[in-house]
Amino acid sequence: GAVVSQHPSRVICKSGTSVKIECRSLDFQATTMFWYRQFPKQSLMLMATSNEGSKATYEQGVEKDKFLINHASLTLSTLTVTSAHPEDSSFYICSARGGRTTYEQYFGPGTRLTVT
Amino acid sequence: GENVEQHPSTLSVQEGDSAVIKCTYSDSASNYFPWYKQELGKGPQLIIDIRSNVGEKKDQRIAVTLNKTAKHFSLHITETQPEDSAVYFCAATPFPDKVIFGPGTSLSVIP
Repeated sequence: GAVVSQHPSRVICKSGTSVKIECRSLDFQATTMFWYRQFPKQSLMLMATSNEGSKATYEQGVEKDKFLINHASLTLSTLTVTSAHPEDSSFYICSARGGRTTYEQYFGPGTRLTVT
Repeated sequence: GENVEQHPSTLSVQEGDSAVIKCTYSDSASNYFPWYKQELGKGPQLIIDIRSNVGEKKDQRIAVTLNKTAKHFSLHITETQPEDSAVYFCAATPFPDKVIFGPGTSLSVIP
């Protein structure tokens, strides 16, 4: 149980274009989903937290107009990187939590974004 | 806010030996401490967790200890195997929407 999927696993896009990453909880309803960013050999940095049907809460320093998050259902959240630039190249990982009072987060396999 | 430190940053052990990774945290409000294993190119996998009302938890070859007074917790892996090689992250959670990760430990198990 507690499986989270991400799509695509890898994506290459050109500078200035937008790319969408999907995160799905496959066998549970995720009231809260999280988006992280990870640079090589570094830890995970939380970008934003989203609750189903609500606007996402962004961490300090994360541009909400650049990283658009939508959590339209209890099993799907999307992250759209708008007007991508090479510095946005990174490993993006989502996680999901089953209930507002539960602590366990289950992570997706990650999406490698390369902006050329 | 919460700050999590983790040591060592790299660790090499012979197959069959034990590995210990130690973490400290700063926020006494943290009451949930998960450990994640991340293999290259993959997302983190929850391997064990402990809550603040418990001092020790064990799951087969993996154990975690927590000292709330000293604000430190440790991961113990016994009888290590090559497939245990990965990056391990500890984390502290002051409330459900906030997981603060340590910097990670790269564990290499030498056959």
